[in-house]
Amino acid sequence: NAGVTQTPKFRILKIGQSMTLQCTQDMNHNYMYWYRQDPGMGLKLIYYSVGAGITDKGEVPNGYNVSRSTTEDFPLRLELAAPSQTSVYFCASIARGGSNSPLHFGNGTRLTVT
Amino acid sequence: KNEVEQSPQNLTAQEGEFITINCSYSVGISALHWLQQHPGGGIVSLFMLSSGKKKHGRLIATINIQEKHSSLHITASHPRDSAVYICAVPGSNTGNQFYFGTGTSLTVIP
Repeated sequence: NAGVTQTPKFRILKIGQSMTLQCTQDMNHNYMYWYRQDPGMGLKLIYYSVGAGITDKGEVPNGYNVSRSTTEDFPLRLELAAPSQTSVYFCASIARGGSNSPLHFGNGTRLTVT
Repeated sequence: KNEVEQSPQNLTAQEGEFITINCSYSVGISALHWLQQHPGGGIVSLFMLSSGKKKHGRLIATINIQEKHSSLHITASHPRDSAVYICAVPGSNTGNQFYFGTGTSLTVIP
């Protein structure tokens, strides 16, 4: 299993540009999450999904959108990039909520908006 | 008040020392996760535990459900253990969201 795969690893955007961060997992996990991690700060939840077709906002959803058309894929969309969105983004998955199984993370996407 | 508190925030140790990182939480949980993040790197799951103790190599994790406290121990620390260690707990029985500690930054000096 590849686990959780995120692309791209690095990206530089100009203010106002848009992009999609890709996240896919091959473990048939129902629960998937997008987090952002600012320098020296903890993980903040952007959006999450408990299964295909179901998404919900987390702590910091403004400026982002997600979709979950399949169990495997959970892309994160930035429509109008702003400098405040400069961060490292992590996608994560777990088999089901509260389950006694590990939380799997992707390797992260380092995004700079200038 | 944070649902998950970690201590210490920063820790510097000499190679070979025994290290303890603490995590206290205020929510009822089904399991607690310990994660490791190397500088500039991804996040890796070290342990998931719901009771007692688990051991992987030089790493030991313990949890006391009644006291809502968990510890991560590293025996015979090595410079490659230098990383940020994060504890995380599900936010509810369904675990729709997780609460994360702010992390403990560990530096092991040769």
